[in-house]
Amino acid sequence: VQLVESGGAVVQPGRSLRLSCATSGFTFNFFGLHWVRQAPGKGLEWVAVISPDGDKKDYSDAVRGRFTISKDKSKDTLYLQMKSLRPEDTAVYFCAKDGGGGIGDFWGQGTLVTVSS
Amino acid sequence: EIVLTQSPVTLSLSPGERATLSCRASQNIGNDFLAWYHQKPGQAPRLLIFGTSSRATGIPDRFNGSGSGTDFTLTISGLEAEDFAVYYCQRHGNSPPYTFGQGTKLEIK
Repeated sequence: VQLVESGGAVVQPGRSLRLSCATSGFTFNFFGLHWVRQAPGKGLEWVAVISPDGDKKDYSDAVRGRFTISKDKSKDTLYLQMKSLRPEDTAVYFCAKDGGGGIGDFWGQGTLVTVSS
Repeated sequence: EIVLTQSPVTLSLSPGERATLSCRASQNIGNDFLAWYHQKPGQAPRLLIFGTSSRATGIPDRFNGSGSGTDFTLTISGLEAEDFAVYYCQRHGNSPPYTFGQGTKLEIK
């Protein structure tokens, strides 16, 4: 199982950014997927989850209405579209495969998003 | 939303000793469960325990999870050098948010 995040960058407050998570080694359509972030020197914060079929999506209160999680079954890739970015969104963003009931059993290495003017 | 509070913030122990890490929920988690992860600097988290007490694949039996209701514990018997890391608990179950605790740093004494 492999998950590889990309798309992290330095962006100005209020701008948008899309993260990608390319996956392999498991049947993409059978598992949910998560985004989890970690601000510099801080702990883990769950961000969003998408169901195996992509129909059900849930978000943390901190990002609901600004971030959108999606998946492309033809590319085995997970996305996180982030809008109206704030300095407090600065973090390493990890994608994780759902091992059942919300646990992350396999993780990517993360991609850094810095929101700064 | 349930808040998870981990204690202690930092735990200093020597290799071979036993570590006891606590995770307390702000309210009874009912039919949900606790998961535990550890994370080393510059690395992704690694799943250790799920379903409160089940070890993930490849996790040695010196790691044990227990608890119910609001109080949960991760016990590591016979600490090895590779065990020194930051440990996080997480509520998991039927529905999100899948909240994490703030972490406990297990450091070498």
